[in-house]
Parts: sequence; C-alpha cells; structure tokens
Amino acid sequence: QQPVQSPQAVILREGEDAVINCSSSKALYSVHWYRQKHGEAPVFLMILLKGGEQKGHDKISASFNEKKQQSSLYLTASQLSYSGTYFCGTAIYGQNFVFGPGTRLSVLP
Amino acid sequence: EAQVTQNPRYLITVTGKKLTVTCSQNMNHEYMSWYRQDPGLGLRQIYYSMNVEVTDKGDVPEGYKVSRKEKRNFPLILESPSPNQTSLYFCASSLNALAGGEQFFGPGTRLTVL
Repeated sequence: QQPVQSPQAVILREGEDAVINCSSSKALYSVHWYRQKHGEAPVFLMILLKGGEQKGHDKISASFNEKKQQSSLYLTASQLSYSGTYFCGTAIYGQNFVFGPGTRLSVLP
Repeated sequence: EAQVTQNPRYLITVTGKKLTVTCSQNMNHEYMSWYRQDPGLGLRQIYYSMNVEVTDKGDVPEGYKVSRKEKRNFPLILESPSPNQTSLYFCASSLNALAGGEQFFGPGTRLTVL
C-alpha cells in the first residue's frame, strides 16, 4: 500500500542532476512530493494530478505516468540547499494519505 | 503569519499516563491530519479529518484518539501511552480536497514514553 521509492539514498556533487522515482501498486490519482531537512517538518514541493496538470516548484520538475502508476522527481544542477529527504505521497481510499519511505539526498560541495 | 502550531514540542512521559498533543491552524483549512515518523518507516498517517466533527482512521490509528470540535483545532490524545508510541509526531492541514492541495506541516512533537 505504501508507495515504493528509489533510490533509498543518493550522494551528489553540486551541479549534478538526480532523479528520484516513486511507484505504487494502487492506481494513482495524484502524486505529491515533499522535502524534509534534518530536524525540520516536511515542506511541499510539487503536486501532479491525473490528466497532466502540475502545480509546484519552479526549480524542480516531475513527471507522472498514470498507466505505469509511477512518478519521477527531477533535480537539475543540484545546489547544497537541495540536501534532505524526499518523500512522495498519494491520497487513497478517499482522503487517507500515504507517504513513501523517503529518499535521502546529500549534495556535497 | 499562516502556520500550523503544535504543543508541546518535546514530551517525556511514562507508560499509561494520558496525554494530549494540541494542533492548531490559522488558515481556515478544512483538512487536518496527524502523522508519526519513525526511522526507516517514513511518515504514517494516524487519523485525519475532512471537517468539523468528521474524522477517520489512517494507517496506524491503534492507541490514539482525535477530535475536531472546531475547524482550527485537531488534538491528538493518547489515553494510555506505551513505549512503542515513542515517535516524532506531525500535524498537517490542507485547504480542502487532498488531491489538489498541499499539506502544511506543524514543527513536530517529539514524544518519549518510558
């Protein structure tokens, strides 16, 4: 029931790109992406809706493949501030919300 | 300032001693939710509320109670805490239908049950 994320962790140098994947065994109607820095609360990044509409962050992009029940988050030209744990999540069974286990991203100078 | 507040931020208690963690939002949001976060397990939803007097179970509701008597407040009640409820707890709110709305999270409450 919980979405699956990959990779579990990734280490980058500043300026490099990263892709974080999220997949579900259940039909996805929307996918949310959040970032959580150490010791802080999660912060909303992006939401992707069935049908292609996307709302969110202007420096990070994402895709949503409804047929494959997958979403990917693209971080280009990583900055130090991108470090943190990224979670995908989705609403199922009405308004019950489920997060994936998270992907830890570390950006080094 | 638009925000979600939680109190207390840190709490150490003993098994069986009833406690309440408060959550309040000033954004007139309809949807509110409680999550617990444990290492390796991510964020798991405990309870959520679509509006006043409307609450429902999330994935891990056992041992918890909630109420939504006012739109702005959504307290989490642990009537008989146990050590396995030691965790980091987050309250969150969203404007309305979750599919189209971002969730705003409170700062978190770190609970230790001895």
